[in-house]
Amino acid sequence: KAGVTQTPRYLIKTRGQQVTLSCSPISGHRSVSWYQQTPGQGLQFLFEYFSETQRNKGNFPGRFSGRQFSNSRSEMNVSTLELGDSALYLCASSPGTSGNRETQYFGPGTRLLVL
Amino acid sequence: AQKITQTQPGMFVQEKEAVTLDCTYDTSDPSYGLFWYKQPSSGEMIFLIYQGSYDQQNATEGRYSLNFQKARKSANLVISASQLGDSAMYFCAMREAAALNAGGTSYGKLTFGQGTILTVHP
Repeated sequence: KAGVTQTPRYLIKTRGQQVTLSCSPISGHRSVSWYQQTPGQGLQFLFEYFSETQRNKGNFPGRFSGRQFSNSRSEMNVSTLELGDSALYLCASSPGTSGNRETQYFGPGTRLLVL
Repeated sequence: AQKITQTQPGMFVQEKEAVTLDCTYDTSDPSYGLFWYKQPSSGEMIFLIYQGSYDQQNATEGRYSLNFQKARKSANLVISASQLGDSAMYFCAMREAAALNAGGTSYGKLTFGQGTILTVHP
């Protein structure tokens, strides 16, 4: 099976702009989770989508949003970018039905730099 | 309070030797899952091993094993016969189940430690 893919891999934006990142999960997986990784805060959970519905959300401002399509592909959007949004954004894929035992498989990430 | 604590910011090991990476966790949930991931400099998180709170035996996956001490709330990763390619950042993570069962607030959410950078010397 193909792994999790994320596009683009690298992105440079300026403050105030918006950005959309894309994630395609492993075939058959219906859950997509997003994480932000920064040197200062480490890995933080953004949100999780399952069957086109957001099931869980982390503690991030409303500028961070996401959606999931019927083919399970997911996008996350960050509006009005701030310097602090510079990070590695990781997408994780899982079946979505196995509770706390479920392993998430991560994509290569999108490195976002906000200038 | 930190839910996942990795107290070793960096570790060094000689090639072919074993190394233990420490992880302690904090939860009042009787049902939870513990995971270890490896993150090379490329950035991708690679799943290594899983341990469930009700699992009777310590998990093993090839050269990786998990030293699970439930009473101490520790889940240390042991890498045997270290290889140069093992040099990377290693993360311990946890998913709690109680909130999941009660309404889903744990869906998808892994809580990660700060990580340990492992360097394998030839």
